[in-house]
Amino acid sequence: GIQVEQSPPDLILQEGANSTLRCNFSDSVNNLQWFHQNPWGQLINLFYIPSGTKQNGRLSATTVATERYSLLYISSSQTTDSGVYFCAVETTSGSARQLTFGSGTQLTVLP
Amino acid sequence: KAGVTQTPRYLIKTRGQQVTLSCSPISGHRSVSWYQQTPGQGLQFLFEYFSETQRNKGNFPGRFSGRQFSNSRSEMNVSTLELGDSALYLCASSYYTGGVAISYEQYFGPGTRLTVT
Repeated sequence: GIQVEQSPPDLILQEGANSTLRCNFSDSVNNLQWFHQNPWGQLINLFYIPSGTKQNGRLSATTVATERYSLLYISSSQTTDSGVYFCAVETTSGSARQLTFGSGTQLTVLP
Repeated sequence: KAGVTQTPRYLIKTRGQQVTLSCSPISGHRSVSWYQQTPGQGLQFLFEYFSETQRNKGNFPGRFSGRQFSNSRSEMNVSTLELGDSALYLCASSYYTGGVAISYEQYFGPGTRLTVT
């Protein structure tokens, strides 16, 4: 099956710093999503981005599908940005579909 | 619009028992998927339902089963619980309407945290 690798696995930043999280995948995908998992376990949708670039406030994401990677940029980080960031790619088999997740990047933003 | 809801939020069971978890998708969403999250294995796909039919299943033993009702609500069942079944179980819904080549964003519920003792 498809492999999804995220880097770095852990990242510690000072408040106000910028960061780039990377997601590599091993095969063609239908779409790609970025999530932030809050301390209670819920996955919060950040971006639905099969290709191209999107921005939402201090966050932006770029997916280069032909080169099989996606980047999540966090600018001017805040302590509330702490948590685990997952990328997930969707693969299909006929009409069936599923998300395959990377192992996540644990982000800690220090005050 | 209300998000995906899951009940119960927390559950403690004993080895050998069975458990049923419930998921109500976002109104209008007909596709429901289930995922298991553990510290060792990460987030893994369990199954996907659309129009009351299971369309896809992940690599889990037959003790894991599910179903979807006509109102798109879904339940998953785990029989003969093992300690390794302790996990966060997440449900996701999407607006998928049946087209093969069409993809839709998935939205997740808050999860059910199952502890097996």
